[in-house]
Amino acid sequence: DVKVTQSSRYLVKRTGEKVFLECVQDMDHENMFWYRQDPGLGLRLIYFSYDVKMKEKGDIPEGYSVSREKKERFSLILESASTNQTSMYLCASSDGLAARYEQYFGPGTRLTVT
Amino acid sequence: DQQVKQNSPSLSVQEGRISILNCDYTNSMFDYFLWYKKYPAEGPTFLISISSIKDKNEDGRFTVFLNKSAKHLSLHIVPSQPGDSAVYFCAASGMGSGTYKYIFGTGTRLKVLA
Repeated sequence: DVKVTQSSRYLVKRTGEKVFLECVQDMDHENMFWYRQDPGLGLRLIYFSYDVKMKEKGDIPEGYSVSREKKERFSLILESASTNQTSMYLCASSDGLAARYEQYFGPGTRLTVT
Repeated sequence: DQQVKQNSPSLSVQEGRISILNCDYTNSMFDYFLWYKKYPAEGPTFLISISSIKDKNEDGRFTVFLNKSAKHLSLHIVPSQPGDSAVYFCAASGMGSGTYKYIFGTGTRLKVLA
């Protein structure tokens, strides 16, 4: 079974703090993704990575950066958290980049920025 | 602009009856479509997919129908069971989104009443 784990289920941070969200997958997948889920907006892609140290912007990268130093780990960084980054953050991984490769999701981190 | 739309935010169905969840898309370059199911406090899990070369794909109680001319897909669940109560997201992929990205809809919350 593919397992994608996220470091925290719930996180509360203050405006201006630097925030790290960690994601680890155990299936040796090449590709990893970060999404945010908001009511009425669905899941939106923030960044993805197709190899170690390789990354590409998704649809809403502003205010975020990512790091992939090891194949199994993909970190999302909020450089200076703002209240509009309060959201559910979901990490996913897949074995390939074509659409037929299913994405496996972690349980999510609910981030609140006050 | 929302390229993938799920216009019904919620749906209630009696146990044993058919659930029909709908999804519309605007980009004719999408060529692969997926449905994901999400329970509270869990990440989305893959349910069923369909390529644009088909108009129907079936997996047990779940059937996805694709109408390319109408840019519409639907998920049928027959018979519906209380355990099907979840949020369902449709997603589209293809040249319109870059072959490595899914574009998700906003989700439909299905409640199956016992």
